[in-house]
Amino acid sequence: DAGVIQSPRHEVTEMGQEVTLRCKPISGHDYLFWYRQTMMRGLELLIYFNNNVPIDDSGMPEDRFSAKMPNASFSTLKIQPSEPRDSAVYFCASSLGQASGYTFGSGTRLTVV
Amino acid sequence: SQKIEQNSEALNIQEGKTATLTCNYTNYSPAYLQWYRQDPGRGPVFLLLIRENEKEKRKERLKVTFDTTLKQSLFHITASQPADSATYLCAPPRNTDKLIFGTGTRLQVFP
Repeated sequence: DAGVIQSPRHEVTEMGQEVTLRCKPISGHDYLFWYRQTMMRGLELLIYFNNNVPIDDSGMPEDRFSAKMPNASFSTLKIQPSEPRDSAVYFCASSLGQASGYTFGSGTRLTVV
Repeated sequence: SQKIEQNSEALNIQEGKTATLTCNYTNYSPAYLQWYRQDPGRGPVFLLLIRENEKEKRKERLKVTFDTTLKQSLFHITASQPADSATYLCAPPRNTDKLIFGTGTRLQVFP
């Protein structure tokens, strides 16, 4: 398996633009997580899905953020409109059930100017 | 509120020595705890999971302990090598399903 695949690796966009981050989890994993990492706040959980259903989105900072998982092999995280404070590395991770180790993707480094 | 605390200062040790990293948590009782390694520019990599009924878990040169009374987990790397240099994150779950990560401790092993 190629692991968790995220795209793009890097994204530079102007304030106010829409940004879409993509994730392909490991086949067979029924949990998918979106995290954001900054120097100041570390790794923060934004939202997670179980069997394609959003379970907890309490970490989503505000309405500008939305996430979808239309099927078991694809998820998106969208920011609209983007702001400079959204600049961070966004990670997607998947796992095989509760109490299982997470497999993280390589992340998307987002810079909003 | 629930908190996870790891030593934010870097740990510098000499090759061959044992590195010990600490993770303290407050205001909740996780059923298990995970440890991850993160290298610069990469995502965290899962290392070990220890459950509340396990006092100790080992994997090669790694050892993790879990003291539910002290609310603390210790992560040990024996016979450390420069290749062990990385940031190590502890992650107890909140509400069973979701992991909450500590800020991590950066380990530097020098020859």
